[in-house]
Amino acid sequence: DTEVTQTPKHLVMGMTNKKSLKCEQHMGHRAMYWYKQKAKKPPELMFVYSYEKLSINESVPSRFSPECPNSSLLNLHLHALQPEDSALYLCASLPPLRITSTDTQYFGPGTRLTVL
Amino acid sequence: AQSVTQPDIHITVSEGASLELRCNYSYGATPYLFWYVQSPGQGLQLLLKYFSGDTLVQGIKGFEAEFKRSQSSFNLRKPSVHWSDAAEYFCAVGPGNNNDMRFGAGTRLTVKP
Repeated sequence: DTEVTQTPKHLVMGMTNKKSLKCEQHMGHRAMYWYKQKAKKPPELMFVYSYEKLSINESVPSRFSPECPNSSLLNLHLHALQPEDSALYLCASLPPLRITSTDTQYFGPGTRLTVL
Repeated sequence: AQSVTQPDIHITVSEGASLELRCNYSYGATPYLFWYVQSPGQGLQLLLKYFSGDTLVQGIKGFEAEFKRSQSSFNLRKPSVHWSDAAEYFCAVGPGNNNDMRFGAGTRLTVKP
């Protein structure tokens, strides 16, 4: 099963709200990612968790807080967001290292976030 | 640091014509290279990937790409474009030492009838 699921599909929130995005995979993958994608732009890397430890934080504002509770789950906690944070948030995961490596990211469908 | 460059922001081709989308990479070792496609409002779909071996790789939907180390390129090709191929195409490289993956800026493909 190579599926990466993301919930919710759509989220509308006010600037004072607290919400969370959820990503899940059951492939035993070694890394999980959060990307932010604005319209007509490439995905921008936000965070990388490698073996459940945060390995990359691309200078993301603290109003975005990632969490990796276990090897299958990745959350992105949102608080006090700004309208410019409205975007598609993509989760991805990376298979474990093997001799015949298939280092391909598997992407979820994304959560479309609108901040009012 | 690894990176990819897609020199063409927007390309328009006629339906049935051939297509080539350019991608140049910068990477210290042998790169893992990918092409993804994204239709409006949709997620990313992997078209093909290169890890090693044969430098001409075949993908889904009739796409292929050729890895040329001497030119640091990984260009995507299709012999005959269909209207449904209109989308945004992203080249990507990775994973790096921290498992990071980097995307190019993308090339938007428009297909004329």
